[in-house]
Amino acid sequence: LAKTTQPISMDSYEGQEVNITCSHNNIATNDYITWYQQFPSQGPRFIIQGYKTKVTNEVASLFIPADRKSSTLSLPRVSLSDTAVYYCLVDSNQGGKLIFGQGTELSVKP
Amino acid sequence: GAVVSQHPSWVICKSGTSVKIECRSLDFQATTMFWYRQFPKQSLMLMATSNEGSKATYEQGVEKDKFLINHASLTLSTLTVTSAHPEDSSFYICSAFPGQGRYFGPGTRLTVL
Repeated sequence: LAKTTQPISMDSYEGQEVNITCSHNNIATNDYITWYQQFPSQGPRFIIQGYKTKVTNEVASLFIPADRKSSTLSLPRVSLSDTAVYYCLVDSNQGGKLIFGQGTELSVKP
Repeated sequence: GAVVSQHPSWVICKSGTSVKIECRSLDFQATTMFWYRQFPKQSLMLMATSNEGSKATYEQGVEKDKFLINHASLTLSTLTVTSAHPEDSSFYICSAFPGQGRYFGPGTRLTVL
């Protein structure tokens, strides 16, 4: 199971773009990169998933370089409600067990 | 999207008692579900993989006789914390895989007095 490494914490201000980078040096060929958001006392919530290059949805963008050994979650114009812990995981999407890393605690200030 | 529910959302019990937590997949069938435990300010820690119709697979260090898992149907897995003690107080989260993507339950807060 590939391990991921993320910054433990990040601070930002409302309206700014936030980029959280994740390292996954041992990612396997069939692994996807998935990001989850977790608020206190809630289960993780899916944000975005990608395999390579760039993926964008209504809440975030995910940038993956050609070697796929890292990825960057980009949150445009964050608000106070984006304060949460963000987890980067690699997942083969085959239904096997998913191991969480430490996550990044994002704090958005007014 | 797929929905996973948990019941109860929170529970308080006395030390020595047993507590059952349910995890249901509401609109899909899940042959496999996963149970996690999360302590304050920590990440989710995988406890076990729940397999429908067969025994659960426990992660190293997780006591299978203390955390009983039953996956009786394709939509229900239960975690029973037997003889609970204060150190079992934690946030328990289940997850299911409906074939694409992972979905997590809202979690159950267990407090053992």
